[in-house]
Amino acid sequence: NAGVTQTPKFQVLKTGQSMTLQCAQDMNHEYMSWYRQDPGMGLRLIHYSVGAGITDQGEVPNGYNVSRSTTEDFPLRLLSAAPSQTSVYFCASSLRGPHSNQPQHFGDGTRLSIL
Amino acid sequence: RKEVEQDPGPFNVPEGATVAFNCTYSNSASQSFFWYRQDCRKEPKLLMSVYSSGNEDGRFTAQLNRASQYISLLIRDSKLSDSATYLCVVNPAGANSKLTFGKGITLSVRP
Repeated sequence: NAGVTQTPKFQVLKTGQSMTLQCAQDMNHEYMSWYRQDPGMGLRLIHYSVGAGITDQGEVPNGYNVSRSTTEDFPLRLLSAAPSQTSVYFCASSLRGPHSNQPQHFGDGTRLSIL
Repeated sequence: RKEVEQDPGPFNVPEGATVAFNCTYSNSASQSFFWYRQDCRKEPKLLMSVYSSGNEDGRFTAQLNRASQYISLLIRDSKLSDSATYLCVVNPAGANSKLTFGKGITLSVRP
């Protein structure tokens, strides 16, 4: 039972480079989300999706794009990496949205450094 | 007032101690509440939900005070393995609501 799988686990980029953080879940969850976690800031929501084909912005969406072409996958794209995007990124999923009180299942995280 | 605020910590307690964390929330319409645990360099994991009547899971007790808008987590007989960061999580309200995480409080249990 894989749960939520994130790749890569670590990545170093140069300013201006682009990359995609992958997230996949095998639990048939409707709701998926991306968070970043920075020291002293807690977890902040970047983007979320309530189902295939539907995405919306969270608290800190600037500099990031997402898409949800399938129920299983929810990739996060950095179009032009900036040092301020150095962070730990977590993907999470739940059976339904937060209003359903379902627990969030998190991936292992991606540690991203932008030089 | 921030949406979710936690005690600044850190907490450093000896084994066997009882420790309590509080978390306040600003939206009185908030519907659901959770405590998550995060080990160093790991992902957050659900510790327990918080129910209106309070709930207990072994050494852990969670309580909700709607009048004062805070939730609490009590850990009795602390173990070394309880050392972690504890995050309170609030679901504001409504179908389009988004979970709000507190910044977390770090607990260190010493021998």
